[in-house]
Order: sequence, then structure tokens, then C-alpha cells
Amino acid sequence: SQQGEEDPQALSIQEGENATMNCSYKTSINNLQWYRQNSGRGLVHLILIRSNEREKHSGRLRVTLDTSKKSSSLLITASRAADTASYFCATDSSGGSNYKLTFGKGTLLTVNP
Amino acid sequence: DAGVIQSPRHEVTEMGQEVTLRCKPISGHDYLFWYRQTMMRGLELLIYFNNNVPIDDSGMPEDRFSAKMPNASFSTLKIQPSEPRDSAVYFCASSWTSSYNEQFFGPGTRLTVL
Repeated sequence: SQQGEEDPQALSIQEGENATMNCSYKTSINNLQWYRQNSGRGLVHLILIRSNEREKHSGRLRVTLDTSKKSSSLLITASRAADTASYFCATDSSGGSNYKLTFGKGTLLTVNP
Repeated sequence: DAGVIQSPRHEVTEMGQEVTLRCKPISGHDYLFWYRQTMMRGLELLIYFNNNVPIDDSGMPEDRFSAKMPNASFSTLKIQPSEPRDSAVYFCASSWTSSYNEQFFGPGTRLTVL
């Protein structure tokens, strides 16, 4: 079964605007990660947030985690055309292996110049 | 480091043929993962290894799929016989124990079974 579900499935914005993507999951987790995938390429790790953290920043990225709602959001500020990609959340399961990740189906972000 | 290396990048084969996908993880990484990505099912974990030992193969779809890791620098995913529904992009990823499972992905192999 799908652990992480991203919302929206697709998002189109203008360069310079902020982009917000959401992820919901079903079971308790140790960590939640966000990855980016450019068309035709492999996934690239962006940021990891632990279950005892509520917010984390990395450059133009801001991730929040609400374990009570089993949800996370990824905010990309001041978007650029190069941010055009699919974004995936990935969760482990607190009852199982930290190393077994379940990925959502992703949000396709298009940033128009 | 060159990152995770996968070969071939593209494979086109006919139904019933054997397909072997190859992966070289990042040196020093002790975990290796095989994933399959399709539009319908998204990214699915097929199997993962720790120190060359298969830990969880519950995602392997059926007996036609097999994976090996004979040493720390090489793994294969074999499909025999292949079927059109196996068409997908197959990714290999690696990580190391202390990284909280930040995974490094290869570029993938796009498999088309006719």
C-alpha cells in the first residue's frame, strides 16, 4: 500500500513564486525525506526531517512535519525554471527497518520562465 | 566519486528473453536497493541488500525476478523470462549505515519488452 501520497499531483507556477507541495502518510515514521527527479534522471535527495523535528531549512527549501496529522510540506521559495521536476516524499516505518523507504507518486512542478 | 553506475541505460528486448541489469554502488556504501518505476505504480522497492546479503525481497513481483550481489561493488537484477508488463525504469540506489538512509540513485535503466 502507498505510504506517502503527494498533493497536488501537478503544480504550475511562474518563476519567482513559491511552490508548496504536501505529503500525507499512514503509519508512524522515524524519518521523512524529500527527493527531486528531473525528467529521465534518477532521484536526488533534497532534505531529511526526523520524527522529533517540526521544521527544517536548506537553502530555498523549507520542510515541515506534523506527526499528529501524519503530514509534511515542502516549500520552495523564489522558484526558478531549473526547479522544474517531480518531487517525492519518502517515509520509513518506525516499526520496521529505517532503510526500507516507501515513495509517493510525486508532484510534478513546472516553473514557467 | 562517479556516483551509482547502471548499465545498460536502455534495453529493448522481446518477450521471453532474459534481461540482466547491472549496478555499481558508490564505494563504501553498505546498502544497495533496486527499485522499479512506472506511471501506474510509481516507485516500488523490489529488494535491498546490506553488506551483500539480501535483507528484504518482498517487493520482487514473482519468481521470474532474481537479484544478486556477489561483492560490495556489483549487483545484478535478472528477469527471466521477460514479459511486456515488466517494461519500466529500473533504478539502483545505495546508502551507508550512518546516513539515516539518504539514498543515492543511479540514472536508471529503461527497459522495454516487446
